[in-house]
Amino acid sequence: AQSVTQPDIHITVSEGASLELRCNYSYGATPYLFWYVQSPGQGLQLLLKYFSGDTLVQGIKGFEAEFKRSQSSFNLRKPSVHWSDAAEYFCAVGSDQAGTALIFGKGTTLSVSS
Amino acid sequence: KAGVTQTPRYLIKTRGQQVTLSCSPISGHRSVSWYQQTPGQGLQFLFEYFSETQRNKGNFPGRFSGRQFSNSRSEMNVSTLELGDSALYLCASSLAPGEKLFFGSGTQLSVL
Repeated sequence: AQSVTQPDIHITVSEGASLELRCNYSYGATPYLFWYVQSPGQGLQLLLKYFSGDTLVQGIKGFEAEFKRSQSSFNLRKPSVHWSDAAEYFCAVGSDQAGTALIFGKGTTLSVSS
Repeated sequence: KAGVTQTPRYLIKTRGQQVTLSCSPISGHRSVSWYQQTPGQGLQFLFEYFSETQRNKGNFPGRFSGRQFSNSRSEMNVSTLELGDSALYLCASSLAPGEKLFFGSGTQLSVL
């Protein structure tokens, strides 16, 4: 079955500390991978995406993610977290054939402590 | 450029009623997708429209339907509402299928 797993429901990180959010996927076709962020009461904003090529992808707001095919993972990282990064983060998988029919993980809520 | 606009922002209905949600995509975007977001099930794909044609459909009952107009605006309809339909309904637009998705803020539907 096609699925996305985000093992951490909630993570708390100190401001200025590094961050890694985990994402594992199971998908039959060649995957397109995405990370989205959602602030309370808002829609989703795309942080970064991987279609092909370099497995280390840079995104907005200082985020990056690394695609590891052998581990079926696409973990999101940020070297130094800011209080404004507190939000819910979603990993998603799709394909060329699927178009906009993405499969999302259940999300990881990030809290930032001062 | 205006973003994706969803109306209404909040909606309260009772079981058995029907509801219509509206989505205006970003100007120039021809693809519109709908997602349902609930605490239990997370984000689930409902359907995708491109050039007034349904291109893809998720695993939802026939009570959920949608359409797209010639100006790319889209509506989704849920008939015979059930308590479990309470959710945030998100619309996203893109220039074309497979292109970057831009999400609206959603319509929060509560079914009592």
